[in-house]
Amino acid sequence: DAGITQSPRHKVTETGTPVTLRCHQTENHRYMYWYRQDPGHGLRLIHYSYGVKDTDKGEVSDGYSVSRSKTEDFLLTLESATSSQTSVYFCAISPRDRTEAFFGQGTRLTVV
Amino acid sequence: AQRVTQPEKLLSVFKGAPVELKCNYSYSGSPELFWYVQYSRQRLQLLLRHISRESIKGFTADLNKGETSFHLKKPFAQEEDSAMYYCALWGAQKLVFGQGTRLTINP
Repeated sequence: DAGITQSPRHKVTETGTPVTLRCHQTENHRYMYWYRQDPGHGLRLIHYSYGVKDTDKGEVSDGYSVSRSKTEDFLLTLESATSSQTSVYFCAISPRDRTEAFFGQGTRLTVV
Repeated sequence: AQRVTQPEKLLSVFKGAPVELKCNYSYSGSPELFWYVQYSRQRLQLLLRHISRESIKGFTADLNKGETSFHLKKPFAQEEDSAMYYCALWGAQKLVFGQGTRLTINP
């Protein structure tokens, strides 16, 4: 497996609380991504990063923010969790544009 | 804008039958297309990419720019092919996925 770790793997949180998910890589890859996976919607891009402090929005970015202060870590924050953000979150990394992406094991988040 | 569409959410075929998973895309530039697979309780992993033009686990996919399609095919399905399949498009520094097709191979 590519050196990519997501934490936590499972989390249950209450509506209205902030939540931060972490993606850590040991591959020194330039690109990092956050997706959410929901039945019927597949994988939807939340935010992505193409370098340290270089981030951009994906297709479902509302309610989420990200930070990448160093190459190896990409943090996803739910500013005020809602039940609609209950999902499985995947981080992915890629060394260059237009090449294979490697995925983490996913984080199952439940907002109650 | 870049978009990937997989029209079938579920596909069920018998072992030994041919399989075709459909993928259509829209992108104004030159696309880079991939198929990813997610087996039960495993990470998403690359199955194949159009530029390599190779066959992986008996699967092939041809990029048809005229029809903007990248359908995944296998002549004889096997039970171990049961999984979730995603078509993906690289464009403008981001990787976008379709909705996925859950393939079930019946014995």
